[in-house]
Formats: sequence, structure tokens, C-alpha cells
Amino acid sequence: DAGITQSPRHKVTETGTPVTLRCHQTENHRYMYWYRQDPGHGLRLIHYSYGVKDTDKGEVSDGYSVSRSKTEDFLLTLESATSSQTSVYFCAISESTGGTETQYFGPGTRLLVL
Amino acid sequence: RKEVEQDPGPFNVPEGATVAFNCTYSNSASQSFFWYRQDCRKEPKLLMSVYSSGNEDGRFTAQLNRASQYISLLIRDSKLSDSATYLCVVKQGSGDKLTFGTGTRLAVRP
Repeated sequence: DAGITQSPRHKVTETGTPVTLRCHQTENHRYMYWYRQDPGHGLRLIHYSYGVKDTDKGEVSDGYSVSRSKTEDFLLTLESATSSQTSVYFCAISESTGGTETQYFGPGTRLLVL
Repeated sequence: RKEVEQDPGPFNVPEGATVAFNCTYSNSASQSFFWYRQDCRKEPKLLMSVYSSGNEDGRFTAQLNRASQYISLLIRDSKLSDSATYLCVVKQGSGDKLTFGTGTRLAVRP
């Protein structure tokens, strides 16, 4: 258990509304990530953070923004949700295990955009 | 061509069977390799890292063939609880960015 929680766990929203998903970790990990998972695709990286206020884009960042004002919280915002953003969103942290950096995931947030 | 390719399955096997999953990756500069397990409607969980010399963890054996850019996972004596989707994951080398395969689904029947 890497001490990662996500909120909300489920959300239904309407097209055009803003949505913020929260990832919270309790173990002071420096690296945090947001992924989305869709049928027919592997998990795809949206944005990641390598420290407070240090973030960078992943492969599917369009339509998403992130913020990290505290080590423990990494927020993902959909400024104006679209139906194509219906997905399962996973947050992850990076931890060194046996000399190898590996990632551990939160429980996920299921988002439905109508 | 996808960066990481897996047979989606499903593999439907009886309890006690041995089953093998394969994965190929396209970037020859890839440095680290993993198998994750994902249960239905749950998050992916690290099953095992894959080392160049091959490694074993109980009933699970992972192999890496860098020349062929190929990773495998062997599960011996399958249990009902092994039913899940198995994700092949490759780290490209710069930072900690991972590339995920779409997963291979395993169903173990009594």
C-alpha cells in the first residue's frame, strides 16, 4: 500500500463543466503522475509532477491542467469537460524498489461526461 | 506500430495449467521492464520486475530477451485467483515515464 487516495471515486458531469480530481499521498513521494485508461489503450500519461510546482506534460495532455502546491496533493483539472474525457483516471507515485524505480497506483476515479 | 504490444486474449485455462504471456516492445533503448496485474475495476498492481537474467517469484517466471525485444510471463499451476489482466510495462529510460501494453486477460476456470 503506497498510501495513495483519490477523490472523488466516481463522478458524473455534463459537457462543458469544469472538473477537478484530487490525488493525495501520505509518504512524501517526489514524483506523481496522472494517467487515463480506456478500452483498447494502455494507460496513457496525462501529466506528471517532479516536485511542488514542478509539472510537465505527458502524451495526452490536451484539455487537462494540473497543479501541485503541496507535496502530498496533485490535482487534475478538466477545464471544460468533453465526452471524450469519459475515462478511468489513475494517479500514481514513483518509489524505488530493489534499486529500480517503480510506480504504484491509486484506486482510480471513474468519470462519466454526459 | 504500438510501442508495447500484447496479445489481448482472453486466455481461458483450467486450474493447474501453465500459461505464458508474451509482450514485444519497439524501443531498443528501453531500460526497465515490469509485469503489472489488474483486477476488474481495480488499479494496476506491480506483479514483478523483469531482469535480464530472468527472475522467478513463486509460480511466476519472467524472461527478457533484449535482442528480440521480447518479454514473457509464465504462470505455473494456475489458481482461480490468478484471473486478471496482465499488463506489460516498459520504461523508456528518460525519467520515470512508463509505457503500458493494453493487457492480456486471463480467466482460470475450476
